[in-house]
Amino acid sequence: EPEVTQTPSHQVTQMGQEVILRCVPISNHLYFYWYRQILGQKVEFLVSFYNNEISEKSEIFDDQFSVERPDGSNFTLKIRSTKLEDSAMYFCASTERLSTDTQYFGPGTRLTVL
Amino acid sequence: AQSVTQLGSHVSVSEGALVLLRCNYSSSVPPYLFWYVQYPNQGLQLLLKYTTGATLVKGINGFEAEFKKSETSFHLTKPSAHMSDAAEYFCAVSDRANQGGKLIFGQGTELSVKP
Repeated sequence: EPEVTQTPSHQVTQMGQEVILRCVPISNHLYFYWYRQILGQKVEFLVSFYNNEISEKSEIFDDQFSVERPDGSNFTLKIRSTKLEDSAMYFCASTERLSTDTQYFGPGTRLTVL
Repeated sequence: AQSVTQLGSHVSVSEGALVLLRCNYSSSVPPYLFWYVQYPNQGLQLLLKYTTGATLVKGINGFEAEFKKSETSFHLTKPSAHMSDAAEYFCAVSDRANQGGKLIFGQGTELSVKP
């Protein structure tokens, strides 16, 4: 069964460093998402991406964040200068269609900022 | 704006007992509703979803949920809990008001199953 994959599973970085989180969505899916979950809190939407551009972004997704689909398979989330409060589990998701269709989630990347 | 509230951050049941996880939503448009499950160190897996049609929705692993518009609820149930059901459960509503189709999640309910 096709699945969303994410690498790395765990990333430790120093405050102020740049990180890139990588995702490979399901191959025929067209809509891509990043969510995050701070420990003990709810899953929060960060950004949605379709047709090589951002469809929607949340207030969390400020200028320090960017997303890219550099080739036909990868979907990346970059944090330019990490802060302590960026420590969280980051989930990538994809779906073939909007709204009614299921969003398939990857296993997540745990980002720890020291 | 849409929102989701899950009552009870932690629910504990005995094996074989009824599982009831509560979810209430707020939505300005007819909602699309989802339940996801997260096992330890894994991603979110869809249990079931409601879009239109029959209000009682059956999902995987014996779970079902009923959409009740009058109560703005979408509670998750399973007649008989199994040890393998221990996990975190998230209720979500799809934001149909915007193009992005994002999911808005509740706070999550951790289900423990006692032998």
